[in-house]
Amino acid sequence: DIQMTQSPSSLSASVGDRVTITCRASQGISNYLAWYQQKPGKVPKLLIYAASTLQSGVPSRFSGSGSGTDFTLTISSLQPEDVATYYCQKYNSAPPIFTFGPGTKVDIK
Amino acid sequence: EVQLVESGGGLVQPGGSLRLSCAASGFTFSSYWMSWVRQAPGKGLEWVANIKQDGSEKYYVDSVKGRFTISRDNAKNSLYLQMNSLRAEDTAVYYCARSVRVVVTAILFHWYFDLWGRGTLVTVSS
Repeated sequence: DIQMTQSPSSLSASVGDRVTITCRASQGISNYLAWYQQKPGKVPKLLIYAASTLQSGVPSRFSGSGSGTDFTLTISSLQPEDVATYYCQKYNSAPPIFTFGPGTKVDIK
Repeated sequence: EVQLVESGGGLVQPGGSLRLSCAASGFTFSSYWMSWVRQAPGKGLEWVANIKQDGSEKYYVDSVKGRFTISRDNAKNSLYLQMNSLRAEDTAVYYCARSVRVVVTAILFHWYFDLWGRGTLVTVSS
């Protein structure tokens, strides 16, 4: 089975900082990767799929990149409303099997 | 309003059973794959199972195979999860999620979950 890891597990940054979260797959997964944001006490929200495709309505300060085994989620200018845990999720094209990463908690310094 | 509403959670003893329901509204339920995702208290997300639009394909995470069964009733716009032989480690909030398939080619697809319910808590304890 392909395992997903994320780093760091948590981070604290200042408003306006550029924040980068890394997700790594134990084997190559092409670009079959999505990113979700879960704010405290809320349900997860889709940010990005296909590694770099921004979901409609998601602010442009969020971006995703990567292919194969290494992926990144970047917040270009951290805002207070971005406090959340961020999960990467790998998926198979077919059959549709999904695995989430362990999550990265983002706080404001 | 486009929404998913889960129900059926509660406290159950180890080895017991529970049936979760998810009521969909505001969209054409029969056009979408649907999934269950769970989150243990203070922990991360775990995909549990999904089901094709017509129910002809179902997939499960290894840890629930043989114990959980996903099903749907398109006439009632409802998704279900029958959970048997429950264990303490099944304790979690269970979310239903709408699963979107993006066609890249005839055999290659991207997937994402674009609509989530608020979840229902299942607690397995004696």
